Amino acid sequence: DAKTTQPPSMDCAEGRAANLPCNHSTISGNEYVYWYRQIHSQGPQYIIHGLKNNETNEMASLIITEDRKSSTLILPHATLRDTAVYYCIVRPGSGNTPLVFGKGTRLSVIA
Amino acid sequence: NAGVTQTPKFQVLKTGQSMTLQCAQDMNHNSMYWYRQDPGMGLRLIYYSASEGTTDKGEVPNGYNVSRLNKREFSLRLESAAPSQTSVYFCASSDPIQGAISNEQFFGPGTRLTVL
Repeated sequence: DAKTTQPPSMDCAEGRAANLPCNHSTISGNEYVYWYRQIHSQGPQYIIHGLKNNETNEMASLIITEDRKSSTLILPHATLRDTAVYYCIVRPGSGNTPLVFGKGTRLSVIA
Repeated sequence: NAGVTQTPKFQVLKTGQSMTLQCAQDMNHNSMYWYRQDPGMGLRLIYYSASEGTTDKGEVPNGYNVSRLNKREFSLRLESAAPSQTSVYFCASSDPIQGAISNEQFFGPGTRLTVL
């Protein structure tokens, strides 16, 4: 079973920030938080990951609470092409442990 | 680089028929994975191969077999297809040794399989 809880769907206006929450209250000390997204039945695409510090890359920012029991993925200026299902996954940062997907959050960006 | 490629893109089978889904990666990755995705659901792991010559069962292995032919290729076989195996199948690869920082998995475009 997935170790994360996400809302099933969210809407966001184009150009606004999209904030996608994730609860992972049973996360272990060696587990990272990963975010992937899946656009219209394509293969999932890696977005970002983090352990305990906030992270930012060209796609998004990841904010992890101090107790690491929840996190938020932020798309700073959502576009229509960001419409997708977003998956929050916890797993060890090293090794080949497979990803365990939940149902994710379906983000709809609206013009 | 083509990344992860899968063949075929689409397939329709009759119940009881067999077929093999092919997957190849050109990123010199050690680990490869097979997932299935049913409508409205997340991906579920069928089998994975941590390295060439090894395979392990995932969450839903029943009805499937796999072969890690070499470092590049990882095939998934349905010996006797059933309607419950109608799904989209995704192959993925990663390299936890070279890519230990992100441990990113790269996914193929998927094979859409219908079993009548």
